Amino acid sequence: EAQVTQNPRYLITVTGKKLTVTCSQNMNHEYMSWYRQDPGLGLRQIYYSMNVEVTDKGDVPEGYKVSRKEKRNFPLILESPSPNQTSLYFCASSALPGGEGQPQHFGDGTRLSIL
Amino acid sequence: KQEVTQIPAALSVPEGENLVLNCSFTDSAIYNLQWFRQDPGKGLTSLLLIQSSQREQTSGRLNASLDKSSGRSTLYIAASQPGDSATYLCAAFGNQFYFGTGTSLTVIP
Repeated sequence: EAQVTQNPRYLITVTGKKLTVTCSQNMNHEYMSWYRQDPGLGLRQIYYSMNVEVTDKGDVPEGYKVSRKEKRNFPLILESPSPNQTSLYFCASSALPGGEGQPQHFGDGTRLSIL
Repeated sequence: KQEVTQIPAALSVPEGENLVLNCSFTDSAIYNLQWFRQDPGKGLTSLLLIQSSQREQTSGRLNASLDKSSGRSTLYIAASQPGDSATYLCAAFGNQFYFGTGTSLTVIP
C-alpha cells in the first residue's frame, strides 16, 4: 500500500529541546515536502526536496532543518524549538511536480506542542 | 509571491444539492492546480489535478476547471452526500506549492 508515514503523531515538548519528526515514503517518489498548518493561515511549505541531497527552502523555513540522505526519508529537525512552532505538520511526497505533474500523497500529520 | 484564496470559507448545504467551490490565485505562471480533501484529524487526500494545459478534470461526481488567464479554478460537486462533508483545499504549483485556506463543507442529511 502506498504510504507516507510520519512519526511521532503527537509530541509535547519544551522550548529549546531538539527534536526530529521522521517522514518515510514507499513509492520511490523524487519529491518530498514539509508543511505546517495553522488556523487562518492554511498550509505553508517549510522545505522541499527534488531528490537525494537536494533541498530547498519553502515559504517558512526559519527555525527548521531538513536532510535527504536517502530517497525514502525526509526528516524535519527543530534544533531549538520555540512556542511559535506549535502547529500541525504534514509530510508529502510525489513524483516530480513540474511538467506532467503528479498528485501529492500526504502523511496523517504530526501535532507538535512546544511549551 | 503567489496568493491562493478560497471562497466561501464555510458552506452548508442539504443533501442532494449541486455545489461549486471557488479557488483564485494571483500568479498565472503555474504548472498545475490540485484539489484536496481533508477530514478532521487526517492528512490531505488528492481529488483532482489539472495541468496548466488542461481546462478541466472529472472524477465521479467531481469536476474541476481551470482558467489560468483569470486565475481561477472551481470544484463542482454533483448530488452532494453527507460523506462529502470535509474541508476542501486547492493548491497551485509554480516553483513551489501554495495552498488556499480551504472551504469547510457540511452536507446536511
